[in-house]
Amino acid sequence: QKEVEQNSGPLSVPEGAIASLNCTYSDRGSQSFFWYRQYSGKSPELIMFIYSNGDKEDGRFTAQLNKASQYVSLLIRDSQPSDSATYLCAGANNFGNEKLTFGTGTRLTIIP
Amino acid sequence: GAVVSQHPSRVICKSGTSVKIECRSLDFQATTMFWYRQFPKQSLMLMATSNEGSKATYEQGVEKDKFLINHASLTLSTLTVTSAHPEDSSFYICSAPGTSGGTYEQYFGPGTRLTVT
Repeated sequence: QKEVEQNSGPLSVPEGAIASLNCTYSDRGSQSFFWYRQYSGKSPELIMFIYSNGDKEDGRFTAQLNKASQYVSLLIRDSQPSDSATYLCAGANNFGNEKLTFGTGTRLTIIP
Repeated sequence: GAVVSQHPSRVICKSGTSVKIECRSLDFQATTMFWYRQFPKQSLMLMATSNEGSKATYEQGVEKDKFLINHASLTLSTLTVTSAHPEDSSFYICSAPGTSGGTYEQYFGPGTRLTVT
């Protein structure tokens, strides 16, 4: 069974600090990984995707992928109260045009 | 950017009745759409893959006769929950893959909150 695992949290981080979210996956056939943010009662919104080993930066967000360790992470720098949400990690066997397998999500709270 | 809409956004129905949820890709064509279900404080679970012009592919454990999927056009997929029961109360979300800047990504609809009384 393909699984994506996340620490469910809750994770509390002071405003302005770095929030670190982690995800592991069991399917070595997974090619691409996505980080979504979901506010309560809303559908997920894409933050970043990553296909290659290493780091990918976009503004305050950095995604990291280590295929050998089957590990994906998301760093949020200069955390803001508006970053408080549930963060979902998802994997796909292709590059985003196939079904996604979601992790359980990590609830992040930024403390002002 | 690509937009996916869902209708209705919220529906309350009585046990035993059927409910239809629509998922539309507004500015792009989608030969494939995905239907997810999310229970409170849980993650999204894929229910089925909707394929335009052919039968949907259901995930293990999802009753195809209870959750009817019709993908009759390149912009519309419908999910009908038949003989709904309180345990079907959930947040139903559809998505469709599209391209953005040369790469694929999934575009999610805003979701439909179903409450069965």
